[in-house]
Amino acid sequence: QKEVEQDPGPLSVPEGAIVSLNCTYSNSAFQYFMWYRQYSRKGPELLMYTYSSGNKEDGRFTAQVDKSSKYISLFIRDSQPSDSATYLCAMSPGSGKLTFGQGTILTVHP
Amino acid sequence: DAGITQSPRHKVTETGTPVTLRCHQTENHRYMYWYRQDPGHGLRLIHYSYGVKDTDKGEVSDGYSVSRSKTEDFLLTLESATSSQTSVYFCAISARTGLSNTGELFFGEGSRLTVL
Repeated sequence: QKEVEQDPGPLSVPEGAIVSLNCTYSNSAFQYFMWYRQYSRKGPELLMYTYSSGNKEDGRFTAQVDKSSKYISLFIRDSQPSDSATYLCAMSPGSGKLTFGQGTILTVHP
Repeated sequence: DAGITQSPRHKVTETGTPVTLRCHQTENHRYMYWYRQDPGHGLRLIHYSYGVKDTDKGEVSDGYSVSRSKTEDFLLTLESATSSQTSVYFCAISARTGLSNTGELFFGEGSRLTVL
């Protein structure tokens, strides 16, 4: 069983929809939780970063961490075609060594 | 954009040949990483470096070696390439160090390697 599980999708939604992306994990040592966005044939770029449990909001994006359930989420409000990308969750115990989920392919169609 | 350059960006080689991928940074960051990305596996850490001549293994290090003789360059070598090493390879750097190295990484554009 993988340390981090992420539904690969693909996920297709209409423009303006609320998107929910999720990851579960098994390693209790994870303290830092990130979401990366990766456009086709590009390197991943950091989208959201959260330490421990709680919520963090940045514009249309909200990241949630529930350490008791070992579950993290990324919500995208008012989704746009430009949000079409692969979204990767990633986690770290603090050593800088990240463990990534498989990535979820998201398409937002006009 | 973080100053990370990977070369070559594309390479096709034959089984059994050695291959070296280069990652060059202009940010003077201490931590550098090599990941591979494959369908169904996400990104997996191959090797990383926490300073000049200081390197360590990651999750999938077999068949790979690395070297870092200067802060700005981190080389990944496939000693004898196999078809299972066909992948997209990403270099990443981190601005944070030590216990505060939380994993916020900046990635290069990737090197696409095909081993025939």
